[in-house]
Amino acid sequence: DAGITQSPRYKITETGRQVTLMCHQTWSHSYMFWYRQDLGHGLRLIYYSAAADITDKGEVPDGYVVSRSKTENFPLTLESATRSQTSVYFCASSESMREGDIQYFGAGTRLSVL
Amino acid sequence: AQTVTQSQPEMSVQEAETVTLSCTYDTSESNYYLFWYKQPPSRQMILVIRQEAYKQQNATENRFSVNFQKAAKSFSLKISDSQLGDTAMYFCALDRDDKIIFGKGTRLHILP
Repeated sequence: DAGITQSPRYKITETGRQVTLMCHQTWSHSYMFWYRQDLGHGLRLIYYSAAADITDKGEVPDGYVVSRSKTENFPLTLESATRSQTSVYFCASSESMREGDIQYFGAGTRLSVL
Repeated sequence: AQTVTQSQPEMSVQEAETVTLSCTYDTSESNYYLFWYKQPPSRQMILVIRQEAYKQQNATENRFSVNFQKAAKSFSLKISDSQLGDTAMYFCALDRDDKIIFGKGTRLHILP
């Protein structure tokens, strides 16, 4: 079915391990985003991408790596997970970055780093 | 300074009542967009309503409406005839500098 899907829904990992969160959208939206949601902080932008092979940092990029080799996929990698990266991660997409364009969100991945 | 402020961390109302969630924001732009997103327990973020700052008329979507006060930089969400399914976290958001800035959210409980 069309939309934006994230996998896995839940992930438990250990400090120092590498973990990749997947995001896939079927709308051919140009823009894709990664947010993290933490109590007391709302949603904060980690990275975003304007198109394949174009990515840029958001508000909290440290400790994360992204890639976008295909328009429909935008994986987020934690190269060496830390406990402070325990969070709920949301991927989103939009047609453009024009003001007012709606971002459509995936269902989120709850990541616990032990 | 916080760009988008939601001053009510948590609220509870009885089913069928009307509830208003407050939001204030900061921007120097003359035109911009504001959003309310709903996040139910399923975690899925859903757009509730969108308002363009140039439009005088307050946006409405069925039981959801906003009170947009541009001079006061206020953007409150009113939910009429509240239903149990309205129980969720609600986020106010501002489209600024090509990014969407979210408030910290208001957790709303609709009580039977």
